[in-house]
Amino acid sequence: NAGVTQTPKFQVLKTGQSMTLQCAQDMNHNSMYWYRQDPGMGLRLIYYSASEGTTDKGEVPNGYNVSRLNKREFSLRLESAAPSQTSVYFCASRETSGAFEQYFGPGTRLTVT
Amino acid sequence: AQTVTQSQPEMSVQEAETVTLSCTYDTSENNYYLFWYKQPPSRQMILVIRQEAYKQQNATENRFSVNFQKAAKSFSLKISDSQLGDTAMYFCAFMRGNQAGTALIFGKGTTLSVSS
Repeated sequence: NAGVTQTPKFQVLKTGQSMTLQCAQDMNHNSMYWYRQDPGMGLRLIYYSASEGTTDKGEVPNGYNVSRLNKREFSLRLESAAPSQTSVYFCASRETSGAFEQYFGPGTRLTVT
Repeated sequence: AQTVTQSQPEMSVQEAETVTLSCTYDTSENNYYLFWYKQPPSRQMILVIRQEAYKQQNATENRFSVNFQKAAKSFSLKISDSQLGDTAMYFCAFMRGNQAGTALIFGKGTTLSVSS
């Protein structure tokens, strides 16, 4: 049981380059999330998807786009990377009933130079 | 808007001792959930313990327990018999209800160092 997987684990980009962070979960969860973690800031929500086919902005959405490809997959795209997007990115998912715990992927460390 | 405050950026404790990490939150909601997550150097986010606001009884998971004071909006984590493996950053998090899509709001974290 893989849980939440993210690729890649590490990435270095130059300013202006684009890339997509991939996330997949095998727990049949409806809700999925993208957070970023910066030193001294905790985790902040970028975008979320309450269910397949829907996405909504979180606290810090500027410079990002997302796609909920199907129930399993939720990708995060940086169209034109900026140094301010240097961060660790976490994908998470959760049930909408029951234990309501969020399960996190291993994270992607992104550096933009 | 809800906020979560962790007032201790760093804490240290010796093995086998007890340590308490503080967390306060601000909300006008009545139905919510509170969590403590652990992030070791591996970076993985691991759920330590959770508390439903409607439950008066404090949650306990082995050596980890919480002191949930709803009126004071306080949610502290007590770690008993500290172990070297408890060294990590600890995040307090709040969730407003459990509808689809509801996200976590995190505090800024407390770095805990356990020494021998």
